[in-house]
Amino acid sequence: GQNIDQPTEMTATEGAIVQINCTYQTSGFNGLFWYQQHAGEAPTFLSYNVLDGLEEKGRFSSFLSRSKGYSYLLLKELQMKDSASYLCAVSPGRNAGNNRKLIWGLGTSLAVNP
Amino acid sequence: EAGVAQSPRYKIIEKRQSVAFWCNPISGHATLYWYQQILGQGPKLLIQFQNNGVVDDSQLPKDRFSAERLKGVDSTLKIQPAKLEDSAVYLCASSTTRQGSYNEQFFGPGTRLTVL
Repeated sequence: GQNIDQPTEMTATEGAIVQINCTYQTSGFNGLFWYQQHAGEAPTFLSYNVLDGLEEKGRFSSFLSRSKGYSYLLLKELQMKDSASYLCAVSPGRNAGNNRKLIWGLGTSLAVNP
Repeated sequence: EAGVAQSPRYKIIEKRQSVAFWCNPISGHATLYWYQQILGQGPKLLIQFQNNGVVDDSQLPKDRFSAERLKGVDSTLKIQPAKLEDSAVYLCASSTTRQGSYNEQFFGPGTRLTVL
């Protein structure tokens, strides 16, 4: 089967660094996405990794190890507005027409405290 | 650029009633997705269209759910009859199919359905 695991909840302090882990087992691999979802809102795209290594984008970075089926999202200089759910999603392959089906994790609810 | 539009934003119905949701994707996006998201969980794909063709509907409960995208632009998702367990947020997303792009999905605001 296809499975994505990430912690259910995490808490951190404003100004700190937090790492949200994601492990996956899928039939194929064609990229891993991280999305942010604030309560009551739609998910918004944060990052994409398809090759091993670290991708940095401002305060957010995402890492991928394909051999280990592992990724993490690193959030630096945490702000209160970073309190949200963080969703890990894997594309196991491409369908016809180059479009993607994503397998989604359950999400990690991050609470940033003052 | 306008985002993904969905309506209604909220809907309350009684079990066994019917309901329909509408989605208009970002202009030019060939791929459209309908997801069901239950509180505290990740999105579950119900159906994926490319233009007006169905790419994946393996998780759509076809005895009660139907969806169409007749002209390859906007789409409608229908539930008939609704059950209590259908209470969820229904998200519509769209993406491009450009070669060489990671084609991230852009989501609409969702429709929150409550079945009483």
